[in-house]
Amino acid sequence: GNSVTQMEGPVTLSEEAFLTINCTYTATGYPSLFWYVQYPGEGLQLLLKATKADDKGSNKGFEATYRKETTSFHLEKGSVQVSDSAVYFCALSDLGTQGGSEKLVFGKGTKLTVNP
Amino acid sequence: DAGVTQSPTHLIKTRGQQVTLRCSPISGHKSVSWYQQVLGQGPQFIFQYYEKEERGRGNFPDRFSARQFPNYSSELNVNALLLGDSALYLCASSFFRQTNYEQYFGPGTRLTVT
Repeated sequence: GNSVTQMEGPVTLSEEAFLTINCTYTATGYPSLFWYVQYPGEGLQLLLKATKADDKGSNKGFEATYRKETTSFHLEKGSVQVSDSAVYFCALSDLGTQGGSEKLVFGKGTKLTVNP
Repeated sequence: DAGVTQSPTHLIKTRGQQVTLRCSPISGHKSVSWYQQVLGQGPQFIFQYYEKEERGRGNFPDRFSARQFPNYSSELNVNALLLGDSALYLCASSFFRQTNYEQYFGPGTRLTVT
């Protein structure tokens, strides 16, 4: 079945450092790809998305490019801030085989801590 | 505009009891999905409902059930609670097969089973 693999955390960076969180996927067809962020004690917020190969999703300084040839969707940010500390989840859309359902398949999450 | 709302925020139950969680989608969204997030893991798909019909079900036992109402709100029911049901239960709403399958999540209900 479809699956997502994220780099293991936790990741600890100093403010203004460069961030990369690796994400690779296994899927049939061409899923949409997402990054969600979860701040402590909260639900998930959609950070960015890409719907087809070579699309680049971007938001709040974060970027990720849909790479079909390497089945990857790595998250990057050039200069992290303390406020970026959160858990980041990579996900793909899975249209399923029953009755047209659409679900998200998530990676295990990567916890990011940014120190001042 | 209001986002996805869920109630209650927190819940403590004992083994064997039953629990009902509630969700109201974003206005205009007709699909609601439920996910279970165990501590330290990514969310796992439980159900999706669209226009009051079940459209998909994840790998969860029959103790889990759900329904969707005419106003598109939804309830998730879990019977005969086990300790392993302790988790954050997330509700997500969407247009269903539009807007590139984006789903928008509520803040979740934290269920603790003792």
